[in-house]
Amino acid sequence: EAGVTQSPTHLIKTRGQQVTLRCSPISGHTSVYWYQQALGLGLQFLLWYDEGEERNRGNFPPRFSGRQFPNYSSELNVNALELEDSALYLCASSLNRGGEQFFGPGTRLTVL
Amino acid sequence: RKEVEQDPGPFNVPEGATVAFNCTYSNSASQSFFWYRQDCRKEPKLLMSVYSSGNEDGRFTAQLNRASQYISLLIRDSKLSDSATYLCVVNMYNNDMRFGAGTRLTVKP
Repeated sequence: EAGVTQSPTHLIKTRGQQVTLRCSPISGHTSVYWYQQALGLGLQFLLWYDEGEERNRGNFPPRFSGRQFPNYSSELNVNALELEDSALYLCASSLNRGGEQFFGPGTRLTVL
Repeated sequence: RKEVEQDPGPFNVPEGATVAFNCTYSNSASQSFFWYRQDCRKEPKLLMSVYSSGNEDGRFTAQLNRASQYISLLIRDSKLSDSATYLCVVNMYNNDMRFGAGTRLTVKP
């Protein structure tokens, strides 16, 4: 069974640009979580989608947004990129709300 | 108080040692708990869930203390391959998952 997949693997952007990251959950999983992990730091919760709805968001500005599609895949959009947005963006899926999360390999974003 | 708090370490232990990590959480209504490990520049991987009665998986034992609001992870007979960052995860009352900042473990020969 395929795990969580994310694309792209790496991305280099410049300040002010916009980026879209994609995530496909494990088949049958309806919850998708997004996290940001800056180098050497812990995971910071960004967004949680379940059954197509945004259920919660972390303490991030509105230029971080996303959505979940009917097939439960998800996108994370970041507008007006800033240098401090450089980080590993991790997506995780879970079968049930509050269940074990399984992570994708992440997208490493570098903002120059 | 942070929602989920861990001692960042680092813990440096010799091979074969026993090491324990604690993780405290702020919300008494929290419902489920997990331990993950994360290797350098990799994604976190589920190590084990934490059940109310405590549970064991080989060299790893997880315990939950609801009264004091903490979970623990005990690693016996440490191996070099156990070197990683250990993350505790708490399902808050609204099925919202929160990660601790992680505890770094280095096992030395």
